[in-house]
Amino acid sequence: DAKTTQPPSMDCAEGRAANLPCNHSTISGNEYVYWYRQIHSQGPQYIIHGLKNNETNEMASLIITEDRKSSTLILPHATLRDTAVYYCIVRVDGGSTLGRLYFGRGTQLTVWP
Amino acid sequence: NAGVTQTPKFQVLKTGQSMTLQCAQDMNHNSMYWYRQDPGMGLRLIYYSASEGTTDKGEVPNGYNVSRLNKREFSLRLESAAPSQTSVYFCASSDPGTPIGYTFGSGTRLTVV
Repeated sequence: DAKTTQPPSMDCAEGRAANLPCNHSTISGNEYVYWYRQIHSQGPQYIIHGLKNNETNEMASLIITEDRKSSTLILPHATLRDTAVYYCIVRVDGGSTLGRLYFGRGTQLTVWP
Repeated sequence: NAGVTQTPKFQVLKTGQSMTLQCAQDMNHNSMYWYRQDPGMGLRLIYYSASEGTTDKGEVPNGYNVSRLNKREFSLRLESAAPSQTSVYFCASSDPGTPIGYTFGSGTRLTVV
């Protein structure tokens, strides 16, 4: 049970912002939202995570709604190398499931020239 | 700065054969994980080890066993391989209790014929 819903595919023009949505309506108060991406069946790569506040790093920005039921990953200037499957994950924490991640099918982002 | 190292990278087995997939991390992480990924699917957790000396089942543990040999190493064993275990296997590590990202290995591509 991945606990998140993402569109199966999106595309974006190179140089434009890519906005990838994710719904996580059953998220608990202490669960973080993580984003990973996977390029060409390589190991997934960590992008960003957040709890309540919006976050930004050198790769992307994460916007989390006030009710925390959805979020958006923003790649501000997409390049061809950003073509990948993007996974939105709610991090299960605590007890016997400490730190486990559950992956859904993700969103295939295709950046075109 | 190797991160997470998996061996072998590729393997072909005959039905009924056994093998062990090796994983080692050099980041002093407490937790380690084994995932499998089937074509067009997200990653599914097989087993994990929250700390040295402990292991626990994930979503799809049947047909697999694991050993947390020490803090660095976490192996996955297939006792009697089946075609349904044809997949790409990823090992990952993290530190639980702090909201940092997982580090994944580059994967082992296993085919069972």
